[in-house]
Amino acid sequence: GESVGLHLPTLSVQEGDNSIINCAYSNSASDYFIWYKQESGKGPQFIIDIRSNMDKRQGQRVTVLLNKTVKHLSLQIAATQPGDSAVYFCAESPDNAGGTSYGKLTFGQGTILTVHP
Amino acid sequence: KAGVTQTPRYLIKTRGQQVTLSCSPISGHRSVSWYQQTPGQGLQFLFEYFSETQRNKGNFPGRFSGRQFSNSRSEMNVSTLELGDSALYLCASMTRGRTRDTQYFGPGTRLTVL
Repeated sequence: GESVGLHLPTLSVQEGDNSIINCAYSNSASDYFIWYKQESGKGPQFIIDIRSNMDKRQGQRVTVLLNKTVKHLSLQIAATQPGDSAVYFCAESPDNAGGTSYGKLTFGQGTILTVHP
Repeated sequence: KAGVTQTPRYLIKTRGQQVTLSCSPISGHRSVSWYQQTPGQGLQFLFEYFSETQRNKGNFPGRFSGRQFSNSRSEMNVSTLELGDSALYLCASMTRGRTRDTQYFGPGTRLTVL
């Protein structure tokens, strides 16, 4: 059938605001979740991760929240800066037998974050 | 430590040709995964190699293949190229490929099929 391009959600914020990017995941067996940032012309860059036995993890200016009940993940960026403008992806990794995902991450569609000075 | 490197960065091929892309993982990483990124389908898993063995494969036709060498460097090959193979091909490495290992991505190879 005809393929349809992904229409990525967009989030536009002012510099200094806090940003919240949301992600719904589908696999209840997923054990590990990661947020990546991808700038134009570059590969995805690791931001922060969280394991399924946690519901919150903080990094430098970023916080990830995990709600396993509704299978929802969010990334909060504090004091957003123009350099944060990028596409943000959540990714999930299943916990196959033996704790080995064999390298397979399932990515969300991504969210375009634009930060205005 | 040097990051994941991919060569070449850009490629232009015509339909029916074949192409080989190369990936050098972070030193000490033994697992290499490959992904295809397109505007229509997003990021999709192709396959993963560990210790020269393919351990996992995504839903791609047999035209897509890969291999890994004893130094953990990996190559992927696409034969009989189709227009729809135009994409950014990303390689990611991690230590052992366990569920909670972090995958680090290279800059990608942009393949255009004419």
